Amino acid sequence: GQQVMQIPQYQHVQEGEDFTTYCNSSTTLSNIQWYKQRPGGHPVFLIQLVKSGEVKKQKRLTFQFGEAKKNSSLHITATQTTDVGTYFCAGRYGGSQGNLIFGKGTKLSVKP
Amino acid sequence: KAGVTQTPRYLIKTRGQQVTLSCSPISGHRSVSWYQQTPGQGLQFLFEYFSETQRNKGNFPGRFSGRQFSNSRSEMNVSTLELGDSALYLCASSLSGRNQETQYFGPGTRLLVL
Repeated sequence: GQQVMQIPQYQHVQEGEDFTTYCNSSTTLSNIQWYKQRPGGHPVFLIQLVKSGEVKKQKRLTFQFGEAKKNSSLHITATQTTDVGTYFCAGRYGGSQGNLIFGKGTKLSVKP
Repeated sequence: KAGVTQTPRYLIKTRGQQVTLSCSPISGHRSVSWYQQTPGQGLQFLFEYFSETQRNKGNFPGRFSGRQFSNSRSEMNVSTLELGDSALYLCASSLSGRNQETQYFGPGTRLLVL
């Protein structure tokens, strides 16, 4: 079936270091969404990428969608302790009503 | 606008029992999706309802079922509970569930099966 692979599973960084998480699908995605889930919380929508090669920025966060629409990345510059949480990508395949397929997430911890 | 609400927030059941979880979407949202989140399997799609009809279904056994009411509120039911059903059950709503719409998640119901 359709799968979205996400790596790494865990990332420990020192505050101020950069962080990147990657998602990959074996088949073309219709679009990809990114979510953040704080410990004990629920997923909160960050952004959606739709176009091939799309790059979007939100302050220190940069999101990219690959040219083939099979992979995506989230990069955080100069991490802060408030960035702690699990970051999920979620891809949609085809159609107008495809369900979201979530990656397993990358759990980010930031040491002050 | 109030967010997605889910009740109850926490639930403890024993094996073999059944459980019903409730989700009230954001006002005006007609699509409700349900997800199961476990440490091992991550977030897995259960099903999606739109206008009282199940529109998409994930790969879960028939013990998992749901429904949606005319006011878009949704319930999911799990019968004959198993230990492995212990999880955080999340619902998410969107306007119409179209491909490029944002889904808004509720706080979840944490189910523990003993």
